[in-house]
Amino acid sequence: QQQVKQSPQSLIVQKGGISIINCAYENTAFDYFPWYQQFPGKGPALLIAIRPDVSEKKEGRFTISFNKSAKQFSLHIMDSQPGDSATYFCAATVGGGSNYKLTFGKGTLLTVNP
Amino acid sequence: DAGVIQSPRHEVTEMGQEVTLRCKPISGHNSLFWYRQTMMRGLELLIYFNNNVPIDDSGMPEDRFSAKMPNASFSTLKIQPSEPRDSAVYFCASRHRDRDYEQYFGPGTRLTVT
Repeated sequence: QQQVKQSPQSLIVQKGGISIINCAYENTAFDYFPWYQQFPGKGPALLIAIRPDVSEKKEGRFTISFNKSAKQFSLHIMDSQPGDSATYFCAATVGGGSNYKLTFGKGTLLTVNP
Repeated sequence: DAGVIQSPRHEVTEMGQEVTLRCKPISGHNSLFWYRQTMMRGLELLIYFNNNVPIDDSGMPEDRFSAKMPNASFSTLKIQPSEPRDSAVYFCASRHRDRDYEQYFGPGTRLTVT
């Protein structure tokens, strides 16, 4: 059973545009929501993360919006650049004790055209 | 600092052969994770260790898969016997005890079983 649903599967954006990737979760016990960025031939790398006590977190051109009541969160990439072309994964986890297990979405392949 | 190191980067083997994947986590990190990535199933957690002790191996697909962490700087994932459906990219990731849920991924091992 997939616990984190990610959409769209792929996204094409023009340079300078806004890229938006959405994720929905089912487990209300999740308390940490990171986004990972993966370039071809590389491992995923942490991009930005949020906890459910805030509704938005911004780091440079990257923003996470979080809607706890709807159990949804999204990644916004402002002023998208060709260098942002990569696969993006949302993830979620239930913390506490020694549990650091992340559940990943299926990923979104972002292509930013020059 | 060196990141997570995985070897080999590519492995091609025939069905029925034993395959051993290796991982060296970042020095000072005390959690280690093994993931498998395929187009169909995305990123799946296979097993993870805290302080060299296996915590959750519920993602290990079957008895053909085994993982060990004999010390804080080395882990192996073994598949015996290998099957074509094991073809995937296998990632190792590590986490520092003070950094909550931030995982650092290695470059992966691309396994092809013919």
